[in-house]
Amino acid sequence: GQSLEQPSEVTAVEGAIVQINCTYQTSGFYGLSWYQQHDGGAPTFLSYNALDGLEETGRFSSFLSRSDSYGYLLLQELQMKDSASYFCAVSVDYKLSFGAGTTVTVRA
Amino acid sequence: GAGVSQSPSNKVTEKGKDVELRCDPISGHTALYWYRQSLGQGLEFLIYFQGNSAPDKSGLPSDRFSAERTGGSVSTLTIQRTQQEDSAVYLCASSSPVMADTQYFGPGTRLTVL
Repeated sequence: GQSLEQPSEVTAVEGAIVQINCTYQTSGFYGLSWYQQHDGGAPTFLSYNALDGLEETGRFSSFLSRSDSYGYLLLQELQMKDSASYFCAVSVDYKLSFGAGTTVTVRA
Repeated sequence: GAGVSQSPSNKVTEKGKDVELRCDPISGHTALYWYRQSLGQGLEFLIYFQGNSAPDKSGLPSDRFSAERTGGSVSTLTIQRTQQEDSAVYLCASSSPVMADTQYFGPGTRLTVL
């Protein structure tokens, strides 16, 4: 089976930088994904790392270290609209196993 | 369609009744997934369809749960003899053959079993 660990909550102010760590234990690992979910909404894809290193998409970046079974999502220049839950997910045989999610609260 | 659609958006039922939840994936997406999300929790994988292959049912919690996908498109998740612990949001997602690791989620069906 798969298990993923991520912090349950993070609070930061507008303009700050937040890093959400994700550690995983799995077999047959293909890649690490990140999804954003606003309250009451559907999860939306943010990024995917299949190889070690940093992937940058605008204000969001994601990092993977396969040897450490570790990844993170970096949210820069935080905005109020970034308040949401963020889930890491491991891809195994095209199925996603999700972490429990990190609730990010952005304060003015 | 423009995105994944699900119906109904909300379903309230009585314990012991059967329910059917529908998912329309994005046109051209060959893979379709069902997940369950309980309040404040992560997503729990239920079942995965890929093209005409036999579905991966490894996540279904009991034999009361079943799903089918007709014509490689629309899917129906059926829960028989519903229990209160089945109350959750049921999410459907689809992905394309080109970008199989990027899943697009529908808005979900919120199921409440009284």
